[in-house]
Amino acid sequence: QLVLTQSPSASASLGASVKLTCTLSSGHSSYAIAWHQQQPEKGPRYLMKLNSDGSHSKGDGIPDRFSGSSSGADRYLTISSLQSEDEADYYCQTWGTGSYWVFGGGTKLTVL
Amino acid sequence: EVQLVESGGGLVQPGGSLRLSCAASGFIVSTKYMNWVRQAPGKGLEWVSVIYSDGSAYYTDSVKGRFTISRDSSKNTLYLQMNSLRPEDTAVYYCARDYLGDYWGQGTLVTVSS
Repeated sequence: QLVLTQSPSASASLGASVKLTCTLSSGHSSYAIAWHQQQPEKGPRYLMKLNSDGSHSKGDGIPDRFSGSSSGADRYLTISSLQSEDEADYYCQTWGTGSYWVFGGGTKLTVL
Repeated sequence: EVQLVESGGGLVQPGGSLRLSCAASGFIVSTKYMNWVRQAPGKGLEWVSVIYSDGSAYYTDSVKGRFTISRDSSKNTLYLQMNSLRPEDTAVYYCARDYLGDYWGQGTLVTVSS
């Protein structure tokens, strides 16, 4: 079964960097994912597509502070030079057979 | 500029119906595959349905037989017809473009309650 696992919460200081993790279930380590950001009371915003080799393509207007990387079944989102507006929920998402989407449970990022 | 604007949400009694709309601009809806995603209060994102450019449609198990996704090319609009609504369908409903979800709307709230 295709499952994405994320830690429920993370925190980092203003101006620092943070690395969020999304882990693909066993047998699915080759899957690409997408990262989405959801600021409070807003709709999600697409950040990037992240492939298993770590290559990634970002959405329109996404700052260079956002980057992605991969290792095995893990997909990472790194945010550098944290700003207050980066405080949000971050979701990873992938595509199963039969055309359905699977979401991770989301990570709530707090900027201290 | 790509924009997606949902509408049609509201308060409905259990067993009732609603039709959600997602008006698109900046691209042609019928050339992309389009999704509906929902988010229950305080919860994460849940995929609901997709319609492909060829018109084929798929649904999450919990809404099969109750929800229908469709589009109107003349209005460049995506729809979600929701029948036999249940309290557990209460959520903000978002439309999202393509397999990446590269654009999302702002959402429309559906509340199913007596």
